[in-house]
Amino acid sequence: QKEVEQDPGPLSVPEGAIVSLNCTYSNSAFQYFMWYRQYSRKGPELLMYTYSSGNKEDGRFTAQVDKSSKYISLFIRDSQPSDSATYLCAMSPGGNKLVFGAGTILRVKS
Amino acid sequence: GAVVSQHPSWVICKSGTSVKIECRSLDFQATTMFWYRQFPKQSLMLMATSNEGSKATYEQGVEKDKFLINHASLTLSTLTVTSAHPEDSSFYICSARDFRRNTIYFGEGSWLTVV
Repeated sequence: QKEVEQDPGPLSVPEGAIVSLNCTYSNSAFQYFMWYRQYSRKGPELLMYTYSSGNKEDGRFTAQVDKSSKYISLFIRDSQPSDSATYLCAMSPGGNKLVFGAGTILRVKS
Repeated sequence: GAVVSQHPSWVICKSGTSVKIECRSLDFQATTMFWYRQFPKQSLMLMATSNEGSKATYEQGVEKDKFLINHASLTLSTLTVTSAHPEDSSFYICSARDFRRNTIYFGEGSWLTVV
């Protein structure tokens, strides 16, 4: 079993839709949770960073962490074609260990 | 703007030659940097952890003599692919840990094509 599970998609939605991206994990030691966006042929870009459980909002993006269920989510409101990318969840127990999900391909159609 | 710079963004080299890729943290000191490899439509695979002033820590299955890592300063780590072969062609990405912000930032990546 992988430490972090993420549906690779692709997830295709119409412009303006609310997008929900999710990851589950098995390591209860994870404390730091991140979402990265990666455009084709580019390095990942940090979108959201959350410590422990709870919600965090930044513009159209909302990150949720439910440690009791070992489940994290990224919501994108009013999705745009420019949001089309691969979204990677990543998590860490602290220190240098960072474990990535496989990434979900998102396509927003205009 | 980018806080981690990677250079070159792409390189083509002949089989048997060596290629060096640089990773720089631009506005913070990075005692630890990471090197990843990514194949098409796959996630990032950690190759090694680069520690300033000491030897890199390689992941299982990664050849130390083939992928030389040097972290000579707090803002620069280099990855040298020695005696490159076509199977080394890939997207190589570095990241650096910013302890002040407790966040890891990635470089733009470097496309290596060995012909």
